[in-house]
Amino acid sequence: GNSVTQMEGPVTLSEEAFLTINCTYTATGYPSLFWYVQYPGEGLQLLLKATKADDKGSNKGFEATYRKETTSFHLEKGSVQVSDSAVYFCALSERYGGSQGNLIFGKGTKLSVKP
Amino acid sequence: AAGVIQSPRHLIKEKRETATLKCYPIPRHDTVYWYQQGPGQDPQFLISFYEKMQSDKGSIPDRFSAQQFSDYHSELNMSSLELGDSALYFCASSSIGGVDPGNTIYFGEGSWLTVV
Repeated sequence: GNSVTQMEGPVTLSEEAFLTINCTYTATGYPSLFWYVQYPGEGLQLLLKATKADDKGSNKGFEATYRKETTSFHLEKGSVQVSDSAVYFCALSERYGGSQGNLIFGKGTKLSVKP
Repeated sequence: AAGVIQSPRHLIKEKRETATLKCYPIPRHDTVYWYQQGPGQDPQFLISFYEKMQSDKGSIPDRFSAQQFSDYHSELNMSSLELGDSALYFCASSSIGGVDPGNTIYFGEGSWLTVV
């Protein structure tokens, strides 16, 4: 079955440090890949997405590249800020024929950035 | 831009009571999804509707039911509530019909249900 595996947290970094959150997936078809972010006490927000191999999604200094050969979609940011502290979810959505399936989430990685 | 609207934002119910959550999708979105997120957990897919018909079913308990109405809003009905139903319930919407080629799924801010 389809699944998403992401690195376990929590991840604690100092401000301006480099961030990588690993995400790998298993899918039988041609998934779209997403990173969602959940700030404390809030809902899920789409951070970035990629819909086909070699696509790079980017937003707010975060980026992730859809790597079909390694079935990965690692999230990176060159310089994190305290305001980036949140839980990050990697997710996939697989297409079945002409329709799109629902989202399958990884377990989430909690990021804490210290000043 | 308009987002997914959920109501109520917070709800407290007693065991064995019923609860109804409402969801208003982004305009022109034809698909609605419901997810349940327990404390410290990842969101789990419950059920989805496309053009008012159930399109996919996940881990939705038999005590729960949902439907999508002619105006595309959706309601999640939960009966015989249990303590374990306490969670954040997300509604999300997307456009399979082609408004968004990537078919991005956009989430509402969620409805917090506490069962006491």
